[in-house]
Amino acid sequence: DGGITQSPKYLFRKEGQNVTLSCEQNLNHDAMYWYRQDPGQGLRLIYYSQIVNDFQKGDIAEGYSVSREKKESFPLTVTSAQKNPTAFYLCASRNGYTDTQYFGPGTRLTVL
Amino acid sequence: QQQVKQSPQSLIVQKGGIPIINCAYENTAFDYFPWYQQFPGKGPALLIAIRPDVSEKKEGRFTISFNKSAKQFSLHIMDSQPGDSATYFCAASTAGNQFYFGTGTSLTVIP
Repeated sequence: DGGITQSPKYLFRKEGQNVTLSCEQNLNHDAMYWYRQDPGQGLRLIYYSQIVNDFQKGDIAEGYSVSREKKESFPLTVTSAQKNPTAFYLCASRNGYTDTQYFGPGTRLTVL
Repeated sequence: QQQVKQSPQSLIVQKGGIPIINCAYENTAFDYFPWYQQFPGKGPALLIAIRPDVSEKKEGRFTISFNKSAKQFSLHIMDSQPGDSATYFCAASTAGNQFYFGTGTSLTVIP
């Protein structure tokens, strides 16, 4: 059963804490993405990676960090420097032949 | 600056109607234009996509119309059903790199 998994589904964080959101794919895709979704603002790109050990900042990278040590995994860390981290976070991967982007089920992060 | 502009923000139609959602872009280097459907609390799922070498593409009840000269593309949903009630996003990308998304359209289909 191929696809993208994200964990946890819900995450609560106290102010000042770093948290890491997991994203795993078994689709053998090279490219992976992290988006943030807020009401009325669509999807905004945080970071993307075209290949292992390489990644680029998106439009709203401040306060976030990523790593890409394995093709299957692209974890996102929300640091305490992110001023307003409460949002719905979506991970995606892209089929390099068709350009089709596949999304995970998302993680809803709430800062208490 | 919004790379892809989407309208309307929300749309209500009767069952069987044909909702139309529009998107416009500026970057002529974009070469892939997908539409996604998203239900509350779920990740978006690809509905249909088009490339600039064709003016229309149909998949089931969903049709994309593409106007390269006007730099616009639209989604039509034929014979809409209450189960089509969701948020729809258009997007655009260049050579499959960074994707730029519209702000979404919330569609409600009334039985």
